[in-house]
Amino acid sequence: AQSVTQPDIHITVSEGASLELRCNYSYGATPYLFWYVQSPGQGLQLLLKYFSGDTLVQGIKGFEAEFKRSQSSFNLRKPSVHWSDAAEYFCAVGGTNNNDMRFGAGTRLTVKP
Amino acid sequence: EAGVAQSPRYKIIEKRQSVAFWCNPISGHATLYWYQQILGQGPKLLIQFQNNGVVDDSQLPKDRFSAERLKGVDSTLKIQPAKLEDSAVYLCASSSPGGGTRGELFFGEGSRLTVL
Repeated sequence: AQSVTQPDIHITVSEGASLELRCNYSYGATPYLFWYVQSPGQGLQLLLKYFSGDTLVQGIKGFEAEFKRSQSSFNLRKPSVHWSDAAEYFCAVGGTNNNDMRFGAGTRLTVKP
Repeated sequence: EAGVAQSPRYKIIEKRQSVAFWCNPISGHATLYWYQQILGQGPKLLIQFQNNGVVDDSQLPKDRFSAERLKGVDSTLKIQPAKLEDSAVYLCASSSPGGGTRGELFFGEGSRLTVL
């Protein structure tokens, strides 16, 4: 069965520092991979997605993620974090036709001034 | 373009009472999802509709939860009777299979349920 693991429950970084959020997945076929962000009291918003092709994908708000098939990973990165990036981040895996979408438990990001 | 609409935003009920949540997806989106998000956890899929047919309801507790999408547009999720562990945010999402948004789920703001 498909699953997503986000090893870090909570990460704190200083404003301006770089960020990497980890995501490992298990999926029986070629996965579609996603990163979503959730601000308090809000729904989830898509940051970026990977279907095929270039393994480094760019998203909104300066985020990027790299798909590594050999490691079953899809880590999210940002070179310089802003205070407004404080939120909960969810990695998700799904199949074609939007089925089998499963989310990780999330990583809460705190940004220090 | 209007987003996914959900109501009510907040609901407080006693255990064993019933509650219903409503969702109106983005116009033209054939696929609709209901997720349950318990505090501190990621969203868990409860049910997925394709038009008015159920694609996946394997994680829906069918003894107390029900959902329908009769005309293939808006949807209702019902819980009866509610238990304490049903306290969560219920997220509705919709998606379109083609075009630039392929694979992307568009989420509503959620309905927060507190069961006392």
